[in-house]
Amino acid sequence: GNSVTQMEGPVTLSEEAFLTINCTYTATGYPSLFWYVQYPGEGLQLLLKATKADDKGSNKGFEATYRKETTSFHLEKGSVQVSDSAVYFCALKGNGGSQGNLIFGKGTKLSVKP
Amino acid sequence: KAGVTQTPRYLIKTRGQQVTLSCSPISGHRSVSWYQQTPGQGLQFLFEYFSETQRNKGNFPGRFSGRQFSNSRSEMNVSTLELGDSALYLCASRPEINSPLHFGNGTRLTVT
Repeated sequence: GNSVTQMEGPVTLSEEAFLTINCTYTATGYPSLFWYVQYPGEGLQLLLKATKADDKGSNKGFEATYRKETTSFHLEKGSVQVSDSAVYFCALKGNGGSQGNLIFGKGTKLSVKP
Repeated sequence: KAGVTQTPRYLIKTRGQQVTLSCSPISGHRSVSWYQQTPGQGLQFLFEYFSETQRNKGNFPGRFSGRQFSNSRSEMNVSTLELGDSALYLCASRPEINSPLHFGNGTRLTVT
């Protein structure tokens, strides 16, 4: 079945450091891929998405490229800020599946120190 | 525009009791999905409703049920609560089938 694997956290970085959070997936066909972010005490917010191979999703300085050959969708940001501290979830929607039924990774907690 | 509203924010129940959680989607959104979030299992899909019909259901026992009303508001019910049901329950809505999900802040259920 479909699954998502994320690097385990927590990840602790200093402000302005480069961020990479790895995400790989297993799915048949051509899934859509997403990154969601959860700030403390809140629900999840869609950060970015990509719906086909080689698509690059970007938002708020974050980027992720849909790599079909490596089944990956790694999240990157060139210079993190304290306000980026949150839990990040990689997710997929299987081909033909409803977006209401997303498969999520376990989440990676990011802490950014000033 | 108001976001997805979940009530109550916090709930404490005893084993064996039942509980009902409520979700008001964003105005105009016809689809509502429910997820359970726990430290051990992460986010797991419970069910999805669209225009009052259940479209998808996750792998949860029959103690977990839901419904959607004609105004798109949704409720989920858990009967015969177990300690393992302690979790953050998240509701998400979207206007159409292929739109991204918008999540509420969740209801934190603690079963003692």
